[in-house]
Amino acid sequence: DIQMTQSPSSLSASVGDRVTITCRASQTITSYLNWYQQKPGKAPKLLIYAASSLQSGVPSRFSGSGSGTDFTLTISSLQPEDFATYYCQQSYTTLRTFGQGTKVEIK
Amino acid sequence: QLQLQESGPGLVKPSETLSLTCTVSGGSISSSSYYWGWIRQPPGKGLEWIGSIYYSGSTYYNPSLKSRVTISVDTSKNQFSLKLSSVTAADTAVYYCASESSGYGRDWGQGTLVTVSS
Repeated sequence: DIQMTQSPSSLSASVGDRVTITCRASQTITSYLNWYQQKPGKAPKLLIYAASSLQSGVPSRFSGSGSGTDFTLTISSLQPEDFATYYCQQSYTTLRTFGQGTKVEIK
Repeated sequence: QLQLQESGPGLVKPSETLSLTCTVSGGSISSSSYYWGWIRQPPGKGLEWIGSIYYSGSTYYNPSLKSRVTISVDTSKNQFSLKLSSVTAADTAVYYCASESSGYGRDWGQGTLVTVSS
């Protein structure tokens, strides 16, 4: 199985801050990396697919980068509605695996 | 944009079989563009992919659950289903269905909580 490790597990930030979340794969996944946002009691929402492609309707303050084993999700200017948990997921193998999540909280 | 809706019992007894159905609207489950997947999330924990199916019936499952999981598709009803046998308390989770395009979950159902308890 490909293990996905996110860091940090949680962070506190203020509105307007630039936020970066990292995801590392246990082996190369080329660009088969996706990012989701999940709010309490809600289903995950796709933000970024194929490492850097922005899903339709997602604000441009979200961006993704990376390839191989190391990936980053960046929120350029954190907004009140962005406080949530973020998950990375690899789709390089048919056994899809998720990171453990990063909770973004209000400072 | 597709709409997906999970349905099924919210309470299942230990050792019995969990059965859920996902109804797809806004598009055809026979579309060649998608696989159809099940994902679960135990309370307060992260996401676990269970398995996926293509409209032709081709499936792939999480090896950790493979011996207990069956995913099937009913194109006439635009639905796909999940069966998980021999459940235990560890199978208590919110179960989501999703459309899968190039490996990512594009559209998700709202999720349904299934509790395993006697």
